[in-house]
Amino acid sequence: QVHLQVSGPGLVKPSETLSLTCAISGSSIGSDYYWGWIRQPPGKGLQWIGSIYHTGNTYLNPSLRGRVTISVDTSRNQFSLRLNSVTAADTAVYYCARPKTTQTDYVGSYHDAFHIWGQGTLVTVSS
Amino acid sequence: SYEVTQPPSVSVSPRQTATIACSGDKLGARYVFWYQQKAGQSPVLVIHEHNKRPLEIPERFSGFKSGNTATLTISETQPMDEADYYCQAWDSRDMVFGGGTRLTVL
Repeated sequence: QVHLQVSGPGLVKPSETLSLTCAISGSSIGSDYYWGWIRQPPGKGLQWIGSIYHTGNTYLNPSLRGRVTISVDTSRNQFSLRLNSVTAADTAVYYCARPKTTQTDYVGSYHDAFHIWGQGTLVTVSS
Repeated sequence: SYEVTQPPSVSVSPRQTATIACSGDKLGARYVFWYQQKAGQSPVLVIHEHNKRPLEIPERFSGFKSGNTATLTISETQPMDEADYYCQAWDSRDMVFGGGTRLTVL
């Protein structure tokens, strides 16, 4: 059974960098899936941040592209999110997730919907 | 930027059919996905590729698309179906979520 676990600081100061890691168990970061980050501000809807393949190919939300970096660590079977120059608007629950279908089997564009989700972690941006 | 639009709220009586719409430009040419999110929980995928259900999702959940509007239908709605529902589509390398619809089972 695939399990995703988000870890990282729950409090980040304005203008600093938010860093989160998603540890994967029951699957390999090198398998034929994209791996994604999604966030949800308190009381608001879902916002996709970006997705990465183990080769490093990345799709990023255009509204965040200048501030966000997503990377993979194959040795630790995890992937990471870095969001710099944070403001209070970046306060949110951050989720990591894996799609339903492998890239080989998916016939649509980019990647399939997110099927496996981590538990989410609240990151608050405040001084 | 691309947008998909959902009604903020839908109400339904138990055992009736709930319908949640999602509309967007050229949505007819895109795959549409649906997620359910209950309070304090991570989202759950209920429909992918317009009308496919993951094995763990009850048959009561179905997806349909006509023109540029996709619809999530929940038949025989149960109190446990009360949740926020989000549609999602891709546009030019950008994954876009709708604003979400709160389904209330009265």
